[in-house]
Amino acid sequence: AQSVTQLDSQVPVFEEAPVELRCNYSSSVSVYLFWYVQYPNQGLQLLLKYLSGSTLVKGINGFEAEFNKSQTSFHLRKPSVHISDTAEYFCAVSQGGKLIFGQGTELSVKP
Amino acid sequence: SAVISQKPSRDICQRGTSLTIQCQVDSQVTMMFWYRQQPGQSLTLIATANQGSEATYESGFVIDKFPISRPNLTFSTLTVSNMSPEDSSIYLCSVETSTEAFFGQGTRLTVV
Repeated sequence: AQSVTQLDSQVPVFEEAPVELRCNYSSSVSVYLFWYVQYPNQGLQLLLKYLSGSTLVKGINGFEAEFNKSQTSFHLRKPSVHISDTAEYFCAVSQGGKLIFGQGTELSVKP
Repeated sequence: SAVISQKPSRDICQRGTSLTIQCQVDSQVTMMFWYRQQPGQSLTLIATANQGSEATYESGFVIDKFPISRPNLTFSTLTVSNMSPEDSSIYLCSVETSTEAFFGQGTRLTVV
């Protein structure tokens, strides 16, 4: 069965520092990969997605992610974070029309 | 894209009662999905709701506890029945295109 592992449950970081949120998935077939963000008391918002093509995907709010098939990873990065990036981030994989989510990573940006 | 309106946004309910959550989409969709997000946890798919047929439940979820209605292509409800404190969670509805999922704002349920 498909699974998604987010390696860090919490990531504290200072404002303007770079950040990487790690995500690994298990699949032997082609998958679609997603990163969603959940701000406090909000629903989920799509940050970016990988469907095919270029392995470097750019999303909203300055985030990007790199699909690495050999390492089955889809890590999310931002070169300089803001206080407003404080939120829960979920990596997800889609296969056969179903979304499977990772456990989530709480990004906490401090001044 | 799709805009999803979900209500109520939050509720506090007595144990043993039931709560029905509504989800309205601004376009016609074949499938709607209901997720549960327990405190500090990720999202878990409860069931898939197709218009005109019975919902398909994931392992660990049953129709008696989470009955779902899908009367048309833009609307669905999820009922949390005979609630206990363990049902305290955020419940989200979702619709998916071939390449993206869209979520409602969620219903934050607290059972006391």
